[in-house]
Amino acid sequence: SQQGEEDPQALSIQEGENATMNCSYKTSINNLQWYRQNSGRGLVHLILIRSNEREKHSGRLRVTLDTSKKSSSLLITASRAADTASYFCGTVNTGKLIFGQGTTLQVKP
Amino acid sequence: GAGVSQTPSNKVTEKGKYVELRCDPISGHTALYWYRQSLGQGPEFLIYFQGTGAADDSGLPNDRFFAVRPEGSVSTLKIQRTERGDSAVYLCASSLRPSSTDTQYFGPGTRLTVL
Repeated sequence: SQQGEEDPQALSIQEGENATMNCSYKTSINNLQWYRQNSGRGLVHLILIRSNEREKHSGRLRVTLDTSKKSSSLLITASRAADTASYFCGTVNTGKLIFGQGTTLQVKP
Repeated sequence: GAGVSQTPSNKVTEKGKYVELRCDPISGHTALYWYRQSLGQGPEFLIYFQGTGAADDSGLPNDRFFAVRPEGSVSTLKIQRTERGDSAVYLCASSLRPSSTDTQYFGPGTRLTVL
């Protein structure tokens, strides 16, 4: 069963704009991990944020976590055409990752 | 260093046949995970190994699915009497320690098609 939901399901923006994706989940977590997936194959790890952290940055990526609202957001700044992909958040409680259905991002050149 | 590798990358089989999917984790990673992803969906957990033993197999859909990791490194996911509904991308991941603390690194997946 799916733990959470990503919102929006699909997002289309122009190159250079910022993209924000949200993730909600249902149960308590140890950490939350964001991944990117191109062409339905392997997932590329982006950021891991632990339950006691509120914000993390990595390059053009910013992730926030609000455990009181059971939600997380991924912000991609100054988007590029190469950022076009599906983005998934996965929550970890007892070792396994539980994913939502993902957000499909299209960045138009 | 090398990432997680999976073989074969694609597997086409007929309904009722037996298949084996292989995963080579990152060297030194003690935890290994199998997931299954259907078109348009997020990956769904199947089974998780800590060392040689299955720490959590709650995601295996039925007794046609079985996985082993006999030496605590390479793992094989075995599917008996395949059904068309088994068609999906099977993803393997590994982490240095159980992922309550660590990042899971994914392989490229095996696309299984059951005709």
